[in-house]
Amino acid sequence: GQQLNQSPQSMFIQEGEDVSMNCTSSSIFNTWLWYKQDPGEGPVLLIALYKAGELTSNGRLTAQFGITRKDSFLNISASIPSDVGIYFCAGQLNNAGNMLTFGGGTRLMVKP
Amino acid sequence: DAGVIQSPRHEVTEMGQEVTLRCKPISGHDYLFWYRQTMMRGLELLIYFNNNVPIDDSGMPEDRFSAKMPNASFSTLKIQPSEPRDSAVYFCASSLVRSPLHFGNGTRLTVT
Repeated sequence: GQQLNQSPQSMFIQEGEDVSMNCTSSSIFNTWLWYKQDPGEGPVLLIALYKAGELTSNGRLTAQFGITRKDSFLNISASIPSDVGIYFCAGQLNNAGNMLTFGGGTRLMVKP
Repeated sequence: DAGVIQSPRHEVTEMGQEVTLRCKPISGHDYLFWYRQTMMRGLELLIYFNNNVPIDDSGMPEDRFSAKMPNASFSTLKIQPSEPRDSAVYFCASSLVRSPLHFGNGTRLTVT
């Protein structure tokens, strides 16, 4: 099956710093999604990307759909303590129902 | 919108007992997914339904696991008999076609 490699696995940063994480795949996806999971809760959608090369922002978050359709990155600018959590990338294929393949997650820790 | 509702939030049971997890998807969504999350394996798709019909159950670990969707507003995931290695957080998610998944807050299962 398809594999998503997400990096880094964890990050420990100072409040105010920018953060960057990425996902790469062995094959293409039609849609890339970024989710955040807080402790004891389910993943919550942050950003959805539908076209190769697309760059989309949501507040301090910016994500891009790689032009090869095999990768995506997520940037968080000026991190704050509530950014703490696990961030997951996910890929979706149009011809695979609505199934998502998830990356392994990036655990973000922010020091005030 | 109430979101995806799962019950119970926590379940502790002894090995060999039957466990039933429940999910109410978002009204109008025609896809429903069951995922399992563990530290070792991350988020794994177990099974998904489209219009109440199981489409892909290749992720179901063994015959001890079964899932049903008797109507558009309810699904169950049953484990019988349960084993300690089934301990995990089980998520239900729902979506419209070619749209991002919306997750519930999960059921944390502990089998002793």
